[in-house]
Amino acid sequence: GENVEQHPSTLSVQEGDSAVIKCTYSDSASNYFPWYKQELGKRPQLIIDIRSNVGEKKDQRIAVTLNKTAKHFSLHITETQPEDSAVYFCAASTGAGSYQLTFGKGTKLSVIP
Amino acid sequence: EAGVAQSPRYKIIEKRQSVAFWCNPISGHATLYWYQQILGQGPKLLIQFQNNGVVDDSQLPKDRFSAERLKGVDSTLKIQPAKLEDSAVYLCASSFGGNYNEQFFGPGTRLTVL
Repeated sequence: GENVEQHPSTLSVQEGDSAVIKCTYSDSASNYFPWYKQELGKRPQLIIDIRSNVGEKKDQRIAVTLNKTAKHFSLHITETQPEDSAVYFCAASTGAGSYQLTFGKGTKLSVIP
Repeated sequence: EAGVAQSPRYKIIEKRQSVAFWCNPISGHATLYWYQQILGQGPKLLIQFQNNGVVDDSQLPKDRFSAERLKGVDSTLKIQPAKLEDSAVYLCASSFGGNYNEQFFGPGTRLTVL
């Protein structure tokens, strides 16, 4: 089955700096890669996703890049703000009929004011 | 639109006891998922329903866990008997269907097994 590795497990940045979280996946058939943000005690919420036919996607301060050859994808947050502090999860899906998501272990991002 | 509803939000039980969780997905969402999220880890899929049929339950510990989705809407997840290692947050998610459809998560049920 699919295996998703996520790094780093914790990340501290100064407010206004950029943050980068990286994930690798094992199943070359995976074609959908969402990123979820989970604030303490709350539900995971989708912040951005990318499909395998796209190399990069941006949404305001958030961007995701995908390298299918290397089987890795990354989340980039620019001009970080204290409210960006949360745990971020990457996930991958093969879409092979079941549309299941396999999640990474998460990255705890702390933005220091 | 109303989100995914789950109850109870918290549950504390002794090991070997039974517990049940309930989920009401977003109206019109055909696909329903149950995830187990152990502290410090990402959600792990336990079971996936498409309408009222099971699509995948390969990671569900069937000797103690069971789930059903009667009438293709609400779902219940049961643990009987519970073990200490079952302590986790149980998340329910739903999606309209298809690979590129966003999964919307409920608030989760935090289970503590003593």
